[in-house]
Amino acid sequence: GESVGLHLPTLSVQEGDNSIINCAYSNSASDYFIWYKQESGKGPQFIIDIRSNMDKRQGQRVTVLLNKTVKHLSLQIAATQPGDSAVYFCAEMAGSYIPTFGRGTSLIVHP
Amino acid sequence: GAVVSQHPSWVICKSGTSVKIECRSLDFQATTMFWYRQFPKQSLMLMATSNEGSKATYEQGVEKDKFLINHASLTLSTLTVTSAHPEDSSFYICSAAGGTEAFFGQGTRLTVV
Repeated sequence: GESVGLHLPTLSVQEGDNSIINCAYSNSASDYFIWYKQESGKGPQFIIDIRSNMDKRQGQRVTVLLNKTVKHLSLQIAATQPGDSAVYFCAEMAGSYIPTFGRGTSLIVHP
Repeated sequence: GAVVSQHPSWVICKSGTSVKIECRSLDFQATTMFWYRQFPKQSLMLMATSNEGSKATYEQGVEKDKFLINHASLTLSTLTVTSAHPEDSSFYICSAAGGTEAFFGQGTRLTVV
């Protein structure tokens, strides 16, 4: 996969700020996208998903934006909290339920 | 959401021994389960896809004789790391497919000494 051998970029924010985590996906045929949160020593947790027929989807404090033209996905976290500190991965799927993971971004929230 | 239980959460073993990791879907039937490997500060690498009752499909570069996968029932898949070596030390994560979503286990930290 594209993330093999690559180290994670880091995003540092202050508590209360909004965070934006970006992801570029590779397969133009991908029709389903998921953001996962992974805390240290744990498996990924589902945060929010979006299908390719949508541009935006909102959850509780999180918003996912999809730009199919440039194959770009973003995750916005409002009023970031220390508990949001984790590694965030986007995953793409094309007609199957086998997610292909992006490289991930480490979010560090400073109190 | 659906629950996937992975056991053990961590294991330390000696070089040359084998280690078995279990992945169970607790509240749904998973016809397909996936095994990932994750090195520190890196993304998840898909190792293999296992379908209940059939042989696993391994990704390129993954040794099927070293990483034995068994998916004997709709709720259980096992990964056995055979003749483990220190370079096999890693975080192993399973996931189970339920519909269009994959649910992940908590991962197993394997350390080979």
